[in-house]
Amino acid sequence: GAVVSQHPSRVICKSGTSVKIECRSLDFQATTMFWYRQFPKQSLMLMATSNEGSKATYEQGVEKDKFLINHASLTLSTLTVTSAHPEDSSFYICSARVGHLDMYTQYFGPGTRLTVL
Amino acid sequence: AQKVTQAQTEISVVEKEDVTLDCVYETRDTTYYLFWYKQPPSGELVFLIRRNSFDEQNEISGRYSWNFQKSTSSFNFTITASQVVDSAVYFCALGRNTPLVFGKGTRLSVIA
Repeated sequence: GAVVSQHPSRVICKSGTSVKIECRSLDFQATTMFWYRQFPKQSLMLMATSNEGSKATYEQGVEKDKFLINHASLTLSTLTVTSAHPEDSSFYICSARVGHLDMYTQYFGPGTRLTVL
Repeated sequence: AQKVTQAQTEISVVEKEDVTLDCVYETRDTTYYLFWYKQPPSGELVFLIRRNSFDEQNEISGRYSWNFQKSTSSFNFTITASQVVDSAVYFCALGRNTPLVFGKGTRLSVIA
């Protein structure tokens, strides 16, 4: 299957700092990527849809000014958690959609575990 | 609205037992895709299968098999002769052109 990488895999930061997470599609181009958030022992919650060359579409309840998404190229999307607070500590997972129209599969990155002290 | 229900929160089995993970979905779309993903303790989601709504044939891949029943809106996953390495959280998901909607997952523990 398609390979999606994420960096960093784990980050610990102080409250008030900003953290950038990168998501790359390694062997394919992804016009659409998704960002999910997963709290311990819970399911994945979609945060936003990232489209190459345009603004991201955020899900209801997700603060777009806090979670900045940039999809500058067909292989890279970034999520920046601005002014992070302890409640932002979570497992962030990106996903890239492979395929076209009705024939697609989502492949996931390995995730980034964010801990805000 | 689309919804995926995985009623089993946690399941524990002894190694070599067969285990079935249930998945029930709701959608108004006539064409859709169903997925199963495995999330081991490392956290990475591993794609297992995609099933088109028009294809109700059951599928077998090694010790894994999937039973798609459109009449009951179910897409169940069976692991035969379970192994310790099968221990993980398994997610069922539904989607088409939109981002996948996930169930809450079933945590499977296989005990040696």
